[in-house]
Amino acid sequence: EAGVAQSPRYKIIEKRQSVAFWCNPISGHATLYWYQQILGQGPKLLIQFQNNGVVDDSQLPKDRFSAERLKGVDSTLKIQPAKLEDSAVYLCASSRPGGHEQETQYFGPGTRLLVL
Amino acid sequence: LAKTTQPISMDSYEGQEVNITCSHNNIATNDYITWYQQFPSQGPRFIIQGYKTKVTNEVASLFIPADRKSSTLSLPRVSLSDTAVYYCLANAGNMLTFGGGTRLMVKP
Repeated sequence: EAGVAQSPRYKIIEKRQSVAFWCNPISGHATLYWYQQILGQGPKLLIQFQNNGVVDDSQLPKDRFSAERLKGVDSTLKIQPAKLEDSAVYLCASSRPGGHEQETQYFGPGTRLLVL
Repeated sequence: LAKTTQPISMDSYEGQEVNITCSHNNIATNDYITWYQQFPSQGPRFIIQGYKTKVTNEVASLFIPADRKSSTLSLPRVSLSDTAVYYCLANAGNMLTFGGGTRLMVKP
């Protein structure tokens, strides 16, 4: 099966500009996640969707970050305006619906953002 | 969410068995122990998951003692391509909290 697709792979912007990332999850996966991974650290969950509804966005800096998942498939993550500390890799992951099961998350290759 | 502690880095040589131990003293009853592997410029990849005793798949083994306060990922006969960062997580359901991981360097 095809994996999680993300674009672009790399993006360089200046601070205060806006940027958007796109993610296409594995077909049939109802749950979608966005993570931020700063160099040398583990990924940090930003937001989790179940279909097109938000399950958890407690760690999303809502003053500048926004995300949507229209129609419960593709998702976009936007930063506006960007700050220097937003430089990181943004990872998208997807999984089948979980209940009490421990669903495996499948990660995309990520988008590497550099804010100058 | 249980906090996990694992070594920052480890070195090994090709063909050796590598054991990475993770401590999770405050693991909850419904937490599973999950290990992910991450290569540079790639997203993490699921390796193995267990709840108690021993789990083995084609890639690795996971040993979990009865008290579940620690776990050991065992990679048999590593090769250069196993050089990566390995993350130990204690999670319930879909919530994954990644720590800093263990950077494994396999040398020829």
